[in-house]
Amino acid sequence: GNSVTQMEGPVTLSEEAFLTINCTYTATGYPSLFWYVQYPGEGLQLLLKATKADDKGSNKGFEATYRKETTSFHLEKGSVQVSDSAVYFCALSQPIYNQGGKLIFGQGTELSVKP
Amino acid sequence: ETGVTQTPRHLVMGMTNKKSLKCEQHLGHNAMYWYKQSAKKPLELMFVYNFKEQTENNSVPSRFSPECPNSSHLFLHLHTLQPEDSALYLCASSQGDLGRYEAFFGQGTRLTVV
Repeated sequence: GNSVTQMEGPVTLSEEAFLTINCTYTATGYPSLFWYVQYPGEGLQLLLKATKADDKGSNKGFEATYRKETTSFHLEKGSVQVSDSAVYFCALSQPIYNQGGKLIFGQGTELSVKP
Repeated sequence: ETGVTQTPRHLVMGMTNKKSLKCEQHLGHNAMYWYKQSAKKPLELMFVYNFKEQTENNSVPSRFSPECPNSSHLFLHLHTLQPEDSALYLCASSQGDLGRYEAFFGQGTRLTVV
């Protein structure tokens, strides 16, 4: 079945460091791919998405490119801030026939940024 | 404010209790979801409702009973739960096709079963 695998956390970085969180997926067909972020005490928020191969999603300085050949969707940011501390979830959409679809999530990667 | 409101935010219940979680969205979405978030595990999809019809039941035990009276409200009725059911329960909604439309999540209900 479809699945998503993320690098294990926690990831601890200093402010202004470069961030990479790895995500790989297994899927039949052509899913859309997402990164969601969960700040402490909050629900999940969509960070960025890509709907087809070679698409690049970007938002708030974060980027991820849909790589079909390596089945990956790694999240990157050039310079992290303390306010980026959160849990990051990679996800793919799996269609439900005639009913929209559902999201399959990875296990989440906790990021802690120190001043 | 995400547009999806869950109540209560925190709930402690005994194994013999009956309680309900409530989710409300006024975003005009037609699909609603229940997810379970446990420590160190991926989010688990429990139920999907599309236009008030249940379209997915992800092998969830019968002690969890969903109800969707209209496209704006979703409930999760709980009875005779086990301590391992303690988790954060998240509700989400979307326009429908998750390939094209964003899912909006509530802040969750932190459930503790004692």
